Amino acid sequence: AQTVTQSQPEMSVQEAETVTLSCTYDTSESDYYLFWYKQPPSRQMILVIRQEAYKQQNATENRFSVNFQKAAKSFSLKISDSQLGDAAMYFCAYRSLSRSYNTDKLIFGTGTRLQVFP
Amino acid sequence: DARVTQTPRHKVTEMGQEVTMRCQPILGHNTVFWYRQTMMQGLELLAYFRNRAPLDDSGMPKDRFSAEMPDATLATLKIQPSEPRDSAVYFCASGTGRKSSRWTEAFFGQGTRLTVV
Repeated sequence: AQTVTQSQPEMSVQEAETVTLSCTYDTSESDYYLFWYKQPPSRQMILVIRQEAYKQQNATENRFSVNFQKAAKSFSLKISDSQLGDAAMYFCAYRSLSRSYNTDKLIFGTGTRLQVFP
Repeated sequence: DARVTQTPRHKVTEMGQEVTMRCQPILGHNTVFWYRQTMMQGLELLAYFRNRAPLDDSGMPKDRFSAEMPDATLATLKIQPSEPRDSAVYFCASGTGRKSSRWTEAFFGQGTRLTVV
């Protein structure tokens, strides 16, 4: 079974600085998606960025980028020019692309709480 | 602005009462998930549907929980009877994709915070 591990329960960063959140996963599959979701205090789960495993190029969305290392099964999120509004819980998630029955589910890590200081 | 709508946002109920949570997925999305979030267990998948058919409800306590999709615009999660350990935030999410029926992005509702006293 696939698992997702976020080893940093909490991280902090100063406004305008860069921070990297770690995520590792375990799978025997070769084709899958990886996601980062943000959950601010409002508790809304917001999709930040998505990476398809077959793509070698790292995904980027404005100030958010990933470092996808498929062989190492690592998927870190880099937030550049951190803003106060980036303070939230960040969840890494895995989604199989196997054609087997009932593999469409998202498997989440335990989350990393990011604090942003002025 | 398309979004997943969950009702109610908050629910406080007494132990033993029935609780029904509702979800309106984004129009056209064919995959619907129910997740439960607690401090201790994090985000757990309870059930999910594709084209209204249940695909996996192995994470759901069968004796008291049930999930249905009466039609494409409504998903329900029921707890009967409710217990204090059911207190959590329950999320519904829906997804769609370009290729066949596989979703590529899942969008979450704002959740229902359930408190069972």
